[in-house]
Amino acid sequence: DTAVSQTPKYLVTQMGNDKSIKCEQNLGHDTMYWYKQDSKKFLKIMFSYNNKELIINETVPNRFSPKSPDKAHLNLHINSLELGDSAVYFCASSPRDSLYGYTFGSGTRLTVV
Amino acid sequence: GQQLNQSPQSMFIQEGEDVSMNCTSSSIFNTWLWYKQDPGEGPVLLIALYKAGELTSNGRLTAQFGITRKDSFLNISASIPSDVGIYFCAGQKSGGGADGLTFGKGTHLIIQP
Repeated sequence: DTAVSQTPKYLVTQMGNDKSIKCEQNLGHDTMYWYKQDSKKFLKIMFSYNNKELIINETVPNRFSPKSPDKAHLNLHINSLELGDSAVYFCASSPRDSLYGYTFGSGTRLTVV
Repeated sequence: GQQLNQSPQSMFIQEGEDVSMNCTSSSIFNTWLWYKQDPGEGPVLLIALYKAGELTSNGRLTAQFGITRKDSFLNISASIPSDVGIYFCAGQKSGGGADGLTFGKGTHLIIQP
């Protein structure tokens, strides 16, 4: 009964492919996020999604698109993968009015070859 | 984009020593958070600070929200082997969750035998 779960844990794929990473939270949180952690461990927000409102970090290429089938899920779709997309991607969720419940998943390590 | 300046980048200490790390920013944050990340896992929240000047403890951890809202520090007393990991500061400008967190670059804590 993991609070924020991501699948897969590891993903190795070739350049040019399209892939998805799934995220589910069972905490009843209102907002979900995707973060990217690079090889130097720097964490940077990519998207946040709250009640059908999507906030996008302007530096994220439009090859990346989040999709939320319902409040408990925020999946990340990536088209035309590039070598520079290799990183660890973290899903997170939080309640609407409190950051104390801000919870991360355990990450998906994406390797593009 | 906005970044937090976190220092030191890494620390090599002996078990039992006290540890201190800090974050500074050129702009104001309304909330400061401190996270710890273990290998292969997502960041886990240690302490959240909501008011300027606030000093909060969580066991052997103590953190303070700077009075100017532009800095925060984390102290760990009497370090133990399980304290090893990467510690991140994070800030948020608004009161709600939608705009996500801005992270520091992390402090790698290594405990020498």
